[in-house]
Amino acid sequence: QVQLQESGPGLVKPSETLSLTCTVSGGSISSYYWSWIRQPAGKGLEWIGRIYSTVSSNYNPSLRSRVIMSVDMSKNQFSLNLTSVTAADTAVYYCTRDLGIAVASYWGQGTLVTVSS
Amino acid sequence: EIVMTQSPATLSVSPGERATLSCRTSQSFSSNLAWYQQKPGQAPRLLIYGASTRATGIPARFSGSGSGTEFTLTISSLQSEDFAVYHCQQYNNWPPSFGQGTKVEIK
Repeated sequence: QVQLQESGPGLVKPSETLSLTCTVSGGSISSYYWSWIRQPAGKGLEWIGRIYSTVSSNYNPSLRSRVIMSVDMSKNQFSLNLTSVTAADTAVYYCTRDLGIAVASYWGQGTLVTVSS
Repeated sequence: EIVMTQSPATLSVSPGERATLSCRTSQSFSSNLAWYQQKPGQAPRLLIYGASTRATGIPARFSGSGSGTEFTLTISSLQSEDFAVYHCQQYNNWPPSFGQGTKVEIK
């Protein structure tokens, strides 16, 4: 059974970079699409981006200028970097494994990231 | 971006009754729609994709239908564990986008 676990700082200062890692167990990170999705408290879900191996990535246009995703095959991990954060980036961040289409079939438990000084 | 509108925002239903949730999209497409269930403090769980295909392990009481701009999630006989928030999501266009959710609560 595939399991995903997010890790990273729970508190980030405004204008700094939010960095999260998702560790995948129970399966290889190769040959699948992996995504980051976030959810501000009491609000809807927002798809941040998805990555396939080290080959291709797609980012939400609303965040594209600030997002970089990467995959580390040797560690079975993938990562999210979101630069120049503001309070609007405060949310629970989920990592997911997708079906070949942009549908999230496996989810991590989520990690709350608060942007505050 | 395709805008997703879910209705109602809250649905009050008695256990054993049928629940019908609606999702409208700002652009028409055939079947690239998914439904997720989310319980408090938990990650969403995939229920339906392709508008009507149940994900692995999802009970038959959950069914999805629709095309164009109108999609529906039906729960035929609500069980206690079904009281949750339900999200629809389109993946016809990039970026994928979600509705604001429908909360199904106990009447």
